[in-house]
Amino acid sequence: DAGVTQSPTHLIKTRGQHVTLRCSPISGHKSVSWYQQVLGQGPQFIFQYYEKEERGRGNFPDRFSARQFPNYSSELNVNALLLGDSALYLCASSRGLATHNEQFFGPGTRLTVL
Amino acid sequence: AQKVTQAQTEISVVEKEDVTLDCVYETRDTTYYLFWYKQPPSGELVFLIRRNSFDEQNEISGRYSWNFQKSTSSFNFTITASQVVDSAVYFCALSEADTGRRALTFGSGTRLQVQP
Repeated sequence: DAGVTQSPTHLIKTRGQHVTLRCSPISGHKSVSWYQQVLGQGPQFIFQYYEKEERGRGNFPDRFSARQFPNYSSELNVNALLLGDSALYLCASSRGLATHNEQFFGPGTRLTVL
Repeated sequence: AQKVTQAQTEISVVEKEDVTLDCVYETRDTTYYLFWYKQPPSGELVFLIRRNSFDEQNEISGRYSWNFQKSTSSFNFTITASQVVDSAVYFCALSEADTGRRALTFGSGTRLQVQP
């Protein structure tokens, strides 16, 4: 079975632009979470979606938004990009919302903002 | 507030040495889960283990072992007879059940370099 897939792999943008990152969960998984990992740090939680509804949000500005589609894939949108948004964006999927559910991570999208 | 601390930023060992990665956590929940993930240079986080707060039994999986002690809020990870392929960044993470906070809170990671 395919794991979590993310696209694109790499992305270069300039300040002020917007970006859309995409994630496809493992088949049968209904929950998708997004994390931001700045170089040299641990991943930071951005959003969690389950059954197309937002179920959790981290401490990120409103420039960050996301949505989940009927096929459980997800998009993360970031508007008005700042240099500090440069990071590896990780998507994770899990079967459901239970806390103990293992989260399977994708390879990430590396975003560079110039 | 929940917090995970990995005080060791970087560890370098020679192949076949044993190495222990430390993890200390803070939470007010009585039910929580602890995880270890491995992040090789490719960037993808690889799940290693999950432990719930009611199970303090140590666990061994091949060369990997984990020591969970609630009394010291620690969940340490030991690699026995390290190998070059163990070189990676290792993250400890926490999720909390009581508050319903399902997101993982990660530590800052420990970079392990195993020299041949």
